[in-house]
Amino acid sequence: RKEVEQDPGPFNVPEGATVAFNCTYSNSASQSFFWYRQDCRKEPKLLMSVYSSGNEDGRFTAQLNRASQYISLLIRDSKLSDSATYLCVVGGSGGYQKVTFGIGTKLQVIP
Amino acid sequence: EAGVTQFPSHSVIEKGQTVTLRCDPISGHDNLYWYRRVMGKEIKFLLHFVKESKQDESGMPNNRFLAERTGGTYSTLKVQPAELEDSGVYFCASSQVPFPGYTEAFFGQGTRLTVV
Repeated sequence: RKEVEQDPGPFNVPEGATVAFNCTYSNSASQSFFWYRQDCRKEPKLLMSVYSSGNEDGRFTAQLNRASQYISLLIRDSKLSDSATYLCVVGGSGGYQKVTFGIGTKLQVIP
Repeated sequence: EAGVTQFPSHSVIEKGQTVTLRCDPISGHDNLYWYRRVMGKEIKFLLHFVKESKQDESGMPNNRFLAERTGGTYSTLKVQPAELEDSGVYFCASSQVPFPGYTEAFFGQGTRLTVV
């Protein structure tokens, strides 16, 4: 079983749609959770950190479910510019943490 | 402010040759990371520098890979001799404090290495 699992997609959705991605992690002691966005042949960029209480930034909402060991990303009112690969990044536990990346979920927003 | 820069952006070399990748982190970032993405796989950790010291190099595939960060500024990653399976995109990232730990890591655009 992979440490961090994501559905690679692609998810093809029409403009204006709501889309949700999940990411499961295997290490129950994981402490830090992030969603990074990567455009084609570009660098990954931080989209959101994911906190226990959940957090929202405009059209984007991230949530953490520790009991079931997954994080989610919800995108409302999808825009063409949201087309990208969304990487789930999970940090370990202990004094020094190493991050583990998911393979990424590809989103294509269609006009 | 300049972001993380990597050079070259692309490199095509023959099996058995040597290649050196360079990363310039964001100024003032003590923490520098190398990652690699092989086609169709996840981004994988290679190693972590704190200033000029190697904090963790547990992700380095084998002794054909040598990373340095002299003076705690830019870093180089040398592959010698290169093998076909070394092909992939090599990302560098930097952060002010160790990543993750509730801090963001900033990534470079990567070096796309193709070994033929």
